[in-house]
Amino acid sequence: ETGVTQTPRHLVMGMTNKKSLKCEQHLGHNAMYWYKQSAKKPLELMFVYSLEERVENNSVPSRFSPECPNSSHLFLHLHTLQPEDSALYLCASSLNTGLAVYNEQFFGPGTRLTVL
Amino acid sequence: AQSVTQLGSHVSVSEGALVLLRCNYSSSVPPYLFWYVQYPNQGLQLLLKYTSAATLVKGINGFEAEFKKSETSFHLTKPSAHMRDAAEYFCAAFNAGNNRKLIWGLGTSLAVNP
Repeated sequence: ETGVTQTPRHLVMGMTNKKSLKCEQHLGHNAMYWYKQSAKKPLELMFVYSLEERVENNSVPSRFSPECPNSSHLFLHLHTLQPEDSALYLCASSLNTGLAVYNEQFFGPGTRLTVL
Repeated sequence: AQSVTQLGSHVSVSEGALVLLRCNYSSSVPPYLFWYVQYPNQGLQLLLKYTSAATLVKGINGFEAEFKKSETSFHLTKPSAHMRDAAEYFCAAFNAGNNRKLIWGLGTSLAVNP
């Protein structure tokens, strides 16, 4: 596998289910991101992990719970979701140098989530 | 607050015609600027970026963009559209002072007609 992979690619779940999204990067990066992509809205940054520490949490509801066990893997645990949480969830990674420059983010293909 | 505006949520061109996708940013300091492309059922891929060097930036797949500070614009162009260019295109801005976040436009869906 190369680049950033995400599984599953599609997920349908009920509001009472618990599921997890998985992201894996094979690029040797040290930062990982979860984004939510909804129609007619800008891409929303949800969480950022740098060196396996969560450095950003953008007021995301607690029904979304991220986990970063190592620099190559990122999970998003889902429970008691709402229909408005249906979206494409994108994972990205980057190599952060610590300088005040933009470090290019590489994106996975996303998980299309539908909450019934 | 910094923002990115993409004029036109849908653009349709004929194969072989010029592609022009518009992006304007609002920022007191010229940011870094990016164009990403998202093909159906795929993630976002960086097309090109402006990082305060040359104002005319060439990217992949024959795309280029020109940074115009006076117009606060960073429009994306391609001289001749191909069917494979049909995708969603996103403009984004990064300013190191803005909590180092990427600010995204809403995207423009490009359709290429045979």
